[in-house]
Amino acid sequence: DAKTTQPNSMESNEEEPVHLPCNHSTISGTDYIHWYRQLPSQGPEYVIHGLTSNVNNRMASLAIAEDRKSSTLILHRATLRDAAVYYCILNNDMRFGAGTRLTVKP
Amino acid sequence: EPEVTQTPSHQVTQMGQEVILRCVPISNHLYFYWYRQILGQKVEFLVSFYNNEISEKSEIFDDQFSVERPDGSNFTLKIRSTKLEDSAMYFCASSGFGRVSGYTFGSGTRLTVV
Repeated sequence: DAKTTQPNSMESNEEEPVHLPCNHSTISGTDYIHWYRQLPSQGPEYVIHGLTSNVNNRMASLAIAEDRKSSTLILHRATLRDAAVYYCILNNDMRFGAGTRLTVKP
Repeated sequence: EPEVTQTPSHQVTQMGQEVILRCVPISNHLYFYWYRQILGQKVEFLVSFYNNEISEKSEIFDDQFSVERPDGSNFTLKIRSTKLEDSAMYFCASSGFGRVSGYTFGSGTRLTVV
């Protein structure tokens, strides 16, 4: 089973920021935290990953807690195209859980 | 942007038949993976492959399954004798530095066993 815990679903309004939480209390010192998303009828898509420091890329930001037992994926301005299932995964496991289904309302 | 290409996009096969799902990973990637997703369920890990051998496999990946990199570009998943419960989307992925780097997934092959 996946070693991360995420809420089953979240809602956001278009053009507002979204914070998607993930708990990984059993994370090891060598685990990278990966985030993927899966749009309807598509394969998983890499979003971002990090080890200890917060990370930014063109898609999102990743905020990692100081104790690394939790992290938050931040979409700065949600668009309708961001509606997807978001998965938080530890790289030493690379098993997908159920993820968080994000709904974006216009 | 480089892509992982999977063919065919949809395959229908009769129960008991052999199927081969094909993938062309990103050209400079060295680590390859197969996942599957039964309709309405989560994405499940099947197998990882590096340096021409399986590096890890899940309990799903039994003797009916095999993987091969027959040449420098293709990565295949073979199911020897398909069962109804093998019906699923099969996703191929590749990465440049194994689990440290992000995986790039293909768009999948929908396998329907009838």
